[in-house]
Amino acid sequence: EEQLVESGGGLVQPGGSLRLSCAASGFTFSKYWMHWVRQDPAKGLVWVSRISSDGSSRFYADSVKGRFTISRDNAKNTLYLQMNSLRAEDTGVYYCTRVEEGRYWFDPWGQGTLVKVSS
Amino acid sequence: DIQMTQSPSSLSASVGDRVTITCRASHSISSYLNWYQQKPGKAPKVLISVASSLRSGVPSRFSGSGSGTDFTLTINSVEPEDFATYYCQQSYISPWTFGQGTKVEIK
Repeated sequence: EEQLVESGGGLVQPGGSLRLSCAASGFTFSKYWMHWVRQDPAKGLVWVSRISSDGSSRFYADSVKGRFTISRDNAKNTLYLQMNSLRAEDTGVYYCTRVEEGRYWFDPWGQGTLVKVSS
Repeated sequence: DIQMTQSPSSLSASVGDRVTITCRASHSISSYLNWYQQKPGKAPKVLISVASSLRSGVPSRFSGSGSGTDFTLTINSVEPEDFATYYCQQSYISPWTFGQGTKVEIK
């Protein structure tokens, strides 16, 4: 079974940092582009970042550019999101998800990890 | 960014009803439109890709149509397990963006 499992969320003060992880299993992780998507009550589902299968290409939403860094370790089948200079508006459930080459939708998704930025 | 607008934001339906949800894109997105279902506490799950292609394992009572800027998700004869929130999402141009969601509730 193809599975994604996020971890690393929690409560952090504004200006703080957090690193999210996403462990993949049941598929050849190194073949796929991977993405992070955030969900919050105010803005709904928002794409955050993506990384190429070999890690050489990375893209970010304007709202997180310069503060977040996406990375991956294909030997460990794990995706990361380093989140620095956190703001209240970064609060939400963060999902990791996959896009297959030549396809244009997110599938599957992890169960999500909650990040709350608050003093 | 392309804005995706769903209507209605919520609706009430009885088991067996036909439900229609619309999604409008701020610019033409050809057929690069996907539909997801999300139940409380769970991740979204893709139902329909590229406007009308039913994903494996999704019941045939779900269907999608449209192209350009206007799209529709239809549930023929709603079942109890279909009460959830539905999102459209465009993948025509980066950043990929989502609609705000349509909550389908039991009448």
